[in-house]
Amino acid sequence: AQKITQTQPGMFVQEKEAVTLDCTYDTSDQSYGLFWYKQPSSGEMIFLIYQGSYDEQNATEGRYSLNFQKARKSANLVISASQLGDSAMYFCAMREDYGNNRLAFGKGNQVVVIP
Amino acid sequence: DAGVIQSPRHEVTEMGQEVTLRCKPISGHDYLFWYRQTMMRGLELLIYFNNNVPIDDSGMPEDRFSAKMPNASFSTLKIQPSEPRDSAVYFCASSFGEKLFFGSGTQLSVL
Repeated sequence: AQKITQTQPGMFVQEKEAVTLDCTYDTSDQSYGLFWYKQPSSGEMIFLIYQGSYDEQNATEGRYSLNFQKARKSANLVISASQLGDSAMYFCAMREDYGNNRLAFGKGNQVVVIP
Repeated sequence: DAGVIQSPRHEVTEMGQEVTLRCKPISGHDYLFWYRQTMMRGLELLIYFNNNVPIDDSGMPEDRFSAKMPNASFSTLKIQPSEPRDSAVYFCASSFGEKLFFGSGTQLSVL
């Protein structure tokens, strides 16, 4: 069963605008972690942000914030003030079962920032 | 810190040949993961180690695939014999705590 769902088609975003990338997840665990990674055209996977299931505050890392809605099982990534370098694939991932550390990834969202 | 180091960056081989991918995790990290990325299947976990011990290899496609971690600073993923359907990007990643850090990947093409 698919645990991470990212269904948005490729997105074009105007430079300096904000963009929200949707992610929903499926788990019966009470303790889990949610992650977002960026993969630019060069291919590397870059860690962006992490949210623990027990964290009451939404995680923020610079221009990245995670809109965590636990009851809806969603963990959307918000990128504020988009830059041309933000053009990439973005992957949502979930780790169930603390101490296990394995991540399950979604299919990714393609973002293209236009000047 | 140099990050997770993978070699080679690119590998082109012929069907039936043995392929060995290498990974050096970040020093001090106790988990090491091998992932495979294809357009069709996305990112799939193949196997992971904790303190050099294989914990879960259920993602390894078949017996042609094997992975070892002889010490805390080195791991290999071997495919023998290789097949065209093995063509993909293979990532190694390591972690200590929540964050997983990836290497640059090995682009494997099996002709």
